[in-house]
Amino acid sequence: NAGVTQTPKFQVLKTGQSMTLQCAQDMNHEYMSWYRQDPGMGLRLIHYSVGAGITDQGEVPNGYNVSRSTTEDFPLRLLSAAPSQTSVYFCASSYPGNSPLHFGNGTRLTVT
Amino acid sequence: KNQVEQSPQSLIILEGKNCTLQCNYTVSPFSNLRWYKQDTGRGPVSLTIMTFSENTKSNGRYTATLDADTKQSSLHITASQLSDSASYICVVSGEAGNNRKLIWGLGTSLAVNP
Repeated sequence: NAGVTQTPKFQVLKTGQSMTLQCAQDMNHEYMSWYRQDPGMGLRLIHYSVGAGITDQGEVPNGYNVSRSTTEDFPLRLLSAAPSQTSVYFCASSYPGNSPLHFGNGTRLTVT
Repeated sequence: KNQVEQSPQSLIILEGKNCTLQCNYTVSPFSNLRWYKQDTGRGPVSLTIMTFSENTKSNGRYTATLDADTKQSSLHITASQLSDSASYICVVSGEAGNNRKLIWGLGTSLAVNP
């Protein structure tokens, strides 16, 4: 079991560029989500999905898009990168209900 | 405003010693409280989940307590090891049955020195 796999581990973008952060899980979890972690702030939810074909916005969705075509994959797209999107991004998945979240090891993104 | 506050912000202890981390919350409604361990450069890993009716839950050398009346939780680490060096994050769920409404604390950074 690989768990939750995120790629790439590191990325540097110029302002205005776009990119996709990949997330895949092999635990057959219905729930998947994206968080960003910034110094001095708790993890903040960007987008989440409760199953294939269903996505919804979290606390800080602006500037990001997601899709969920399969149970396993939940990519996060940055449409036009801005310096304010410099952060560490975590993908997490879980079973429904009060189940613990399983996190990937993150993507460290720098936007210059 | 829903908030989760953790103390201390950072802590240094010697290997083999015990320590206790604190979490106070003002989240309403309350569903459950979780503790996560986050190693540097890695994603958080779940240690415990406690619901309203649970006072204590253990996971190896980690023991979490919950007082829902005073809205306080603690995480006690026994016989610390170098591998316990990490950030410990308290998380409160404000909605039963889903992970969409999690309020995350800022974490306590623990360093265990030899």
